[in-house]
Amino acid sequence: EPEVTQTPSHQVTQMGQEVILRCVPISNHLYFYWYRQILGQKVEFLVSFYNNEISEKSEIFDDQFSVERPDGSNFTLKIRSTKLEDSAMYFCASRPDRARGIYNEQFFGPGTRLTVL
Amino acid sequence: AQSVTQLGSHVSVSEGALVLLRCNYSSSVPPYLFWYVQYPNQGLQLLLKYTSAATLVKGINGFEAEFKKSETSFHLTKPSAHMSDAAEYFCAVSPRNQAGTALIFGKGTTLSVSS
Repeated sequence: EPEVTQTPSHQVTQMGQEVILRCVPISNHLYFYWYRQILGQKVEFLVSFYNNEISEKSEIFDDQFSVERPDGSNFTLKIRSTKLEDSAMYFCASRPDRARGIYNEQFFGPGTRLTVL
Repeated sequence: AQSVTQLGSHVSVSEGALVLLRCNYSSSVPPYLFWYVQYPNQGLQLLLKYTSAATLVKGINGFEAEFKKSETSFHLTKPSAHMSDAAEYFCAVSPRNQAGTALIFGKGTTLSVSS
């Protein structure tokens, strides 16, 4: 069964460094998302991406964050200058087009645990 | 704005006992509703979803949930808990007719199952 994959599973970085989190969504999906979960807190939406542009973003997704779909398979989240409070589990998700995914069912990857020291 | 409340951050049951995980939503129009499960060191897996076809929804691993509009609830149940059910469970909502929009999650409930 197709699944969303994410790399790396765990990333440790120093405060102020740039990190890129990578995701490979399910191949025939058209909507892509990043969520994060700070330890002990709820899963929070960061950004959605459709047709090669951001379709929605939360207030968390400030200028330090960016997303890109550099080729036909990868979907990346970049944090330019990491802060301590960016430490969290980051989940990528994808969903099919409107015809096959009208209920907005999203398929999640296993997550990348980001630790900022 | 829509929100989701999961009562009880931690629920403990014995193996074979009934599992009840509570979820309430706040929305003037019933949204699409989902339950996701997260096993240790794994991603979020969809257990079941409510889309208005039926108020009682059956999912994977013997779980089911009942949508009650009058109570704005979508509680998750399983008649008999198994040790393998120990995990984090998240209720989530999505506004209707807004394809592509973000899911809004509850804080999650950790289910522990003892033998």
